[in-house]
Amino acid sequence: GAGVSQSPRYKVAKRGQDVALRCDPISGHVSLFWYQQALGQGPEFLTYFQNEAQLDKSGLPSDRFFAERPEGSVSTLKIQRTQQEDSAVYLCASSGRVPRGYTFGSGTRLTVV
Amino acid sequence: DAKTTQPNSMESNEEEPVHLPCNHSTISGTDYIHWYRQLPSQGPEYVIHGLTSNVNNRMASLAIAEDRKSSTLILHRATLRDAAVYYCILRALDSNYQLIWGAGTKLIIKP
Repeated sequence: GAGVSQSPRYKVAKRGQDVALRCDPISGHVSLFWYQQALGQGPEFLTYFQNEAQLDKSGLPSDRFFAERPEGSVSTLKIQRTQQEDSAVYLCASSGRVPRGYTFGSGTRLTVV
Repeated sequence: DAKTTQPNSMESNEEEPVHLPCNHSTISGTDYIHWYRQLPSQGPEYVIHGLTSNVNNRMASLAIAEDRKSSTLILHRATLRDAAVYYCILRALDSNYQLIWGAGTKLIIKP
C-alpha cells in the first residue's frame, strides 16, 4: 500500500495477557521504527530496525517488550504479561534515506484492563 | 540528542497566518529541522524540513534563523483542518532516527 499500515487499530488486553502488534511499512523503506505515545505526550522511541537488523532497542521499557522484523519488511511488537502502564498508543514509522521524514501509521491503541 | 522547546499551545483565527516557533539552541551543524503534525487519533504527519535555508512546500513554509538556534513554521492561511499538535524535532544527518520528541504545540483554530 501507499502508507504504513498497523493492526489492530485498537486492542484491549487483560493484565497479564500477551499481545502482538503488527506494522506493514512502506515498500522499499529499509528503516522501521516503533514509538510509544502516552496521552498528551509526544512519541517516545522504542526501537529501530534497518532491514531485518535491530540496530537500537534502547527505548524498550522492559524485557517484556520484544520486536522483530525477520524478513526486513513487516514488523511485530510483542508485549508479554501486559501491565496497566503499558496502555498507550504504539506507533510504527518507516523512512527512506535521511534527511527525508518518517511516514507514520495510525497507531494501535492498547488498553490494559 | 539536541532538544527543542515549543509553546504548549497557540490559538489563531481561521484564514489567518499562523507562526509556530521552535527553539533549538543546542543544534549541531549536521542536524536537520523537521516539523510534524498530529491530528486527533492519527499518527504524526510529516510537514516540512530544512537545514539552513528557508523552505516552502504545499503545506507550509519553514523559516530558519541565521544562527539556526530557532525556526518558525508558517501556515499561510489556517483552516479548521490545521488544528493539530505540531512537533519540531531535530534529525542528525549521520543518524537515521530521532530519539527525542517534546510535547509539541497544540494549535487551536477559531472559526
